[in-house]
Amino acid sequence: NAGVTQTPKFRILKIGQSMTLQCAQDMNHNYMYWYRQDPGMGLKLIYYSVGAGITDKGEVPNGYNVSRSTTEDFPLRLELAAPSQTSVYFCASRPLEGLNEQFFGPGTRLTVL
Amino acid sequence: AQKVTQAQTEISVVEKEDVTLDCVYETRDTTYYLFWYKQPPSGELVFLIRRNSFDEQNEISGRYSWNFQKSTSSFNFTITASQVVDSAVYFCALSEAKGAQKLVFGQGTRLTINP
Repeated sequence: NAGVTQTPKFRILKIGQSMTLQCAQDMNHNYMYWYRQDPGMGLKLIYYSVGAGITDKGEVPNGYNVSRSTTEDFPLRLELAAPSQTSVYFCASRPLEGLNEQFFGPGTRLTVL
Repeated sequence: AQKVTQAQTEISVVEKEDVTLDCVYETRDTTYYLFWYKQPPSGELVFLIRRNSFDEQNEISGRYSWNFQKSTSSFNFTITASQVVDSAVYFCALSEAKGAQKLVFGQGTRLTINP
């Protein structure tokens, strides 16, 4: 199993540009999450999903959109990038039953200039 | 609302010293989970431990040990005989026990072990 994969690893955007951060997991996990980690801070939840077709806002959803058309994929969309979105983005997944720790991807480092 | 506080922003010790990382949490839930994650310089998040709020037994795993005290809402992490490879940022986190079990993280403690 590859676990949770994220692409790209690094990206530099100009203000106002759009992009999609990709996240995929091959563990058949129902739950998927997007977090952001600002410098020197802990992670904060952006959006999460409990299964295909179901998403919900976390603590800091403004400026982002998500979709969950399949169990495996959970992309995060930035429509109009702003410097405040400069951060490291982590995707995570968790099964519906059993072990309840979240499995994290390697992260995407995004800089908005 | 849930909250996790890690009051120690940075800790620096000499190799082989013991070090304790503090974690204090707030929640109105009667059932919840507590976690510790390690973030080495390479940036990934490594799961260390999960503790159910009903289980107040301390846990030891090699040089790592965790002290959970519900009475003081604390879940402290001790590294015994620290090593340079322990240098990392350590996060304490809290989640509800039901539903999506969204994680609430502390701000992290940067631990530096000097040779």
